[in-house]
Amino acid sequence: NAGVTQTPKFRVLKTGQSMTLLCAQDMNHEYMYWYRQDPGMGLRLIHYSVGEGTTAKGEVPDGYNVSRLKKQNFLLGLESAAPSQTSVYFCASSWPGQGIHEQYFGPGTRLTVT
Amino acid sequence: AQRVTQPEKLLSVFKGAPVELKCNYSYSGSPELFWYVQYSRQRLQLLLRHISRESIKGFTADLNKGETSFHLKKPFAQEEDSAMYYCALSGRSGSRLTFGEGTQLTVNP
Repeated sequence: NAGVTQTPKFRVLKTGQSMTLLCAQDMNHEYMYWYRQDPGMGLRLIHYSVGEGTTAKGEVPDGYNVSRLKKQNFLLGLESAAPSQTSVYFCASSWPGQGIHEQYFGPGTRLTVT
Repeated sequence: AQRVTQPEKLLSVFKGAPVELKCNYSYSGSPELFWYVQYSRQRLQLLLRHISRESIKGFTADLNKGETSFHLKKPFAQEEDSAMYYCALSGRSGSRLTFGEGTQLTVNP
């Protein structure tokens, strides 16, 4: 199993450009998450999904949109990138078995907005 | 609201010395607490969870509800323990994790 994969690994955008980050998992997990990681601020939840076709806002959703059309994929979109969105983005997935949600993380996408 | 605080951004110890990474939380109910670790150039991974009361790689963490803390401890640090450590809390629904700011641990030879 590949686990959780993210595409692309690196990206540089200019202010105002748009892009989509793809997260895929092959563990049949119900829940998927998008975080951003910034120095001194830890991981902050952007959006998450508790099942195919459902999404919900996390702590810092502004400027981002998501879609979960297929159970195995969770897309994160930036419609008009801003320098404040320069960050490392992590996707994670989990299976709500036994009430304990161990999250499995992808390798991250490093995004720079100039 | 749930919140996790890791007061030390950086922690440096020598090999063989004890190490303690602090984590404090605020939550109105009974939380589930976790420690995640991110080694250099690797993805974030679960280190241990309080409900399991386990010891992983020599690390232990005890949930102290009176002090609302979940400190991570290891009696003898090793160089390979150098990494970023995140404390995380899961609330009643269990579907979301709230992470602390992280502590970068460096174990010097």
